[in-house]
Amino acid sequence: DGGITQSPKYLFRKEGQNVTLSCEQNLNHDAMYWYRQDPGQGLRLIYYSQIVNDFQKGDIAEGYSVSREKKESFPLTVTSAQKNPTAFYLCASSSGRLYNEQFFGPGTRLTVL
Amino acid sequence: EDKVVQSPLSLVVHEGDTVTLNCSYEVTNFRSLLWYKQEKKAPTFLFMLTSSGIEKKSGRLSSILDKKELFSILNITATQTGDSAIYLCAVDADTGGFKTIFGAGTRLFVKA
Repeated sequence: DGGITQSPKYLFRKEGQNVTLSCEQNLNHDAMYWYRQDPGQGLRLIYYSQIVNDFQKGDIAEGYSVSREKKESFPLTVTSAQKNPTAFYLCASSSGRLYNEQFFGPGTRLTVL
Repeated sequence: EDKVVQSPLSLVVHEGDTVTLNCSYEVTNFRSLLWYKQEKKAPTFLFMLTSSGIEKKSGRLSSILDKKELFSILNITATQTGDSAIYLCAVDADTGGFKTIFGAGTRLFVKA
């Protein structure tokens, strides 16, 4: 079955620690995205990548980093520089062709203790 | 700055009611407008609109786009409790790449 997966589902970390959220897709999509969702604020774009070895900052990239070494994988690292990291993180992918319907993973809920 | 604004932010209706959700946008290099439904975790795709005045339908849901007035509406007729969800509007912009701007969402609750 084709799809997009994220792990872990829930993640707890102490202040000052870096954590990495996994995102994998087997849809053969070129483009991948990371969003953050806070209550009442919809989805805000953190980073996106259109092709392997290339990625662009979104609206709220500070305190986050990504890599895109493989087409299937787009991990997100939440660094200790992110001041308010507790949130729901969604990864998505799209074909990257003219019309950009995105397919979302199930999300990771990160809580900083 | 590109923005997508949805209204109302939340809505409570009774089963059988008809609801209209609004989405207005100010986005440079508009390419398409998309509606998603988010029930618990992952948003799922509902509609993609690219042309003005052409209604898209799927069962009890329908949507239309007005590119002159820069808005879209999502209608749900004969609502059911299973329609309770957050409805997200997003605009895809042609930035030379692929960038999607999401609205804050409308939280719909349908009472039995």
